[in-house]
Amino acid sequence: EVKLEESGGGLVQPGMSVKLSCATSGFTFSDYWMEWVRQAPGKGLEWVAEIRNKANNYATYYGKSVKGRFTISRDDSKSIVYLQVNSIRSEDTGIYYCTRRTGYFDYWGQGVMVTVSS
Amino acid sequence: DVQMTQSPSNLAASPGESVSINCKASKSISKHLAWYQQKPGKANKLLIYSGSTLQSGTPSRFSGSGSGTDFTLTIRNLEPEDFGLYYCQQHNEYPLTFGSGTKLEIK
Repeated sequence: EVKLEESGGGLVQPGMSVKLSCATSGFTFSDYWMEWVRQAPGKGLEWVAEIRNKANNYATYYGKSVKGRFTISRDDSKSIVYLQVNSIRSEDTGIYYCTRRTGYFDYWGQGVMVTVSS
Repeated sequence: DVQMTQSPSNLAASPGESVSINCKASKSISKHLAWYQQKPGKANKLLIYSGSTLQSGTPSRFSGSGSGTDFTLTIRNLEPEDFGLYYCQQHNEYPLTFGSGTKLEIK
């Protein structure tokens, strides 16, 4: 059974940093591209970042609103994907979902909440 | 960026009825479109990919059609468990973009 479980969220002060983790199981993690998607309260889904697999040189891609502040990374030995969020802003508040990509997003975690507030 | 315009924003229907949700891309995305269902307390679920291919486990009452810029998700013989939010998403080019969502309420 494919599982994705996010962690690391919580209350974060503006300007600070937070690192989200997504632990996975039930599939060969190293074969897949992994993504982060977020959802602001009461809003729709927004793609945030992608990291490809080793065969694709671990290439990374980012949404325009987060480029330069967010960094996606992965540890294939632990089957975990990370999202480092720096210089966090109020508009970064929301649920952050980890997803697996096979063209489309075929499996999702339940998400982790990040609240930016002083 | 490819803008995805999804309509309607809200929809209410009774069990047994059929509904359609539309998604229009601002430029051609071939058939690189997926549909997702979002329900409270559950992981988002992929329903359809490549415009019309049902993901394993998606009930046959769901169907997708379209290519290029215009796509439709149709749910026939609505079941009470079909309530929730539905999103389209293009995966043809970066940045990957979603429609604004359709809230389906069961009467």
